[in-house]
Amino acid sequence: QSVLTQPPSASGTPGQRVTISCSGSSSNIGSNTVNWYQQLPGTAPKLLIYSNNQRPSGVPDRFSGSKSGTSASLAISGLQSEDEADYYCAAWDDSLNGPFWVFGGGTKLTVL
Amino acid sequence: QITLKESGPTLVKPTQTLTLTCTFSGFSLSTSGVGVGWIRQPPGKALEWLALIYWDDDKRYSPSLKSRLTITKDTSKNQVVLTMTNMDPVDTATYYCAHDSTYNDAFDIWGQGTMVTVSS
Repeated sequence: QSVLTQPPSASGTPGQRVTISCSGSSSNIGSNTVNWYQQLPGTAPKLLIYSNNQRPSGVPDRFSGSKSGTSASLAISGLQSEDEADYYCAAWDDSLNGPFWVFGGGTKLTVL
Repeated sequence: QITLKESGPTLVKPTQTLTLTCTFSGFSLSTSGVGVGWIRQPPGKALEWLALIYWDDDKRYSPSLKSRLTITKDTSKNQVVLTMTNMDPVDTATYYCAHDSTYNDAFDIWGQGTMVTVSS
């Protein structure tokens, strides 16, 4: 059971806009920034979004992130077939035994 | 260019201790703000953070695994070592090391991962 909650799956057709949610609590998302990682099949994860809404160099601006309260979202616009991957959110958790990193359970994105 | 590569045994027996080495290039773990973390992923499952060590030797551990984990660094060799004691079949996973920077506070560069199977 992951500390951060993500929907297990999401889907969309090419060109569509899809969003993936990540729900946490006051000790993690509520008080820290959120990062998003993309994991293409059979590969290592790749940083997609950091500090809630910042894109590392080379990440297309089709990918965007946002945070409100204890939840965060990843939006992908102009969906492409190569976006089919697993997506994970992550944040520091400052609870009693913290700080420590927590990840979401991952969302498998299917491009129909 | 930053690269990281994990190495270690592919098969360990239950109750044994696992030792994994992350060998990196393109940065120094003596540079302020730099860290190296370990994250694992059981087959078909989600990512799980394990441990993180910073340039100043500050160390952070997953609370659920803290009693079994030790992370150390050898700055001269550009290596970070993770040991996990009392291995169990549920620890079967791909283990990744990753570069962390306090600039973006994220694992921005990942190694390719190494698969470790725990079985007798």
